[in-house]
Amino acid sequence: GEDVEQSLFLSVREGDSSVINCTYTDSSSTYLYWYKQEPGAGLQLLTYIFSNMDMKQDQRLTVLLNKKDKHLSLRIADTQTGDSAIYFCAERRNDYKLSFGAGTTVTVRA
Amino acid sequence: EPEVTQTPSHQVTQMGQEVILRCVPISNHLYFYWYRQILGQKVEFLVSFYNNEISEKSEIFDDQFSVERPDGSNFTLKIRSTKLEDSAMYFCASSSGGQGGHEQYFGPGTRLTVT
Repeated sequence: GEDVEQSLFLSVREGDSSVINCTYTDSSSTYLYWYKQEPGAGLQLLTYIFSNMDMKQDQRLTVLLNKKDKHLSLRIADTQTGDSAIYFCAERRNDYKLSFGAGTTVTVRA
Repeated sequence: EPEVTQTPSHQVTQMGQEVILRCVPISNHLYFYWYRQILGQKVEFLVSFYNNEISEKSEIFDDQFSVERPDGSNFTLKIRSTKLEDSAMYFCASSSGGQGGHEQYFGPGTRLTVT
């Protein structure tokens, strides 16, 4: 399809790991990104992965990329209440534009 | 840490009026972008700008829209005659460009309400 796809909602208990999944569309995409949007705020770049990598770890964040299946995931270890937000995956198809998924709303419960 | 800033944070306008949304990108960045997010929907690309010209634009970016870099620091989006469906959050972004500067950094957004 033409769209970047994400599941819409994820509920996770504080201290557990969260895994947010995304499928993207263009096998020639060079970079894939995860952005975080807190209520009423802008888009904060969390992390990215280059398309020739399988995995990237950045503190509590782990990005996994399956290029064959065009599947991207973001794992947040030890999820905290401050991680409650909408998480967007995005692909960079050329030098200029990002194409975003609809966003996954992560709710962290005590 | 340098950041993208946008003004105003909220703009209310009447249908048919012109609005200008303003952005100050990160100072050493060369590529500039506008995106919009209609309430509850995904973030959509509008336009990219490099070297004082539009690099790419989406189908949304019709003749009602224009962009300008009037000086060395500002980057503006003008909507000539606003419609109700232009109500959205508008995000400006910038990147330094090239393989080493691919990350796009977003501003906090301007919420445009057309009545």
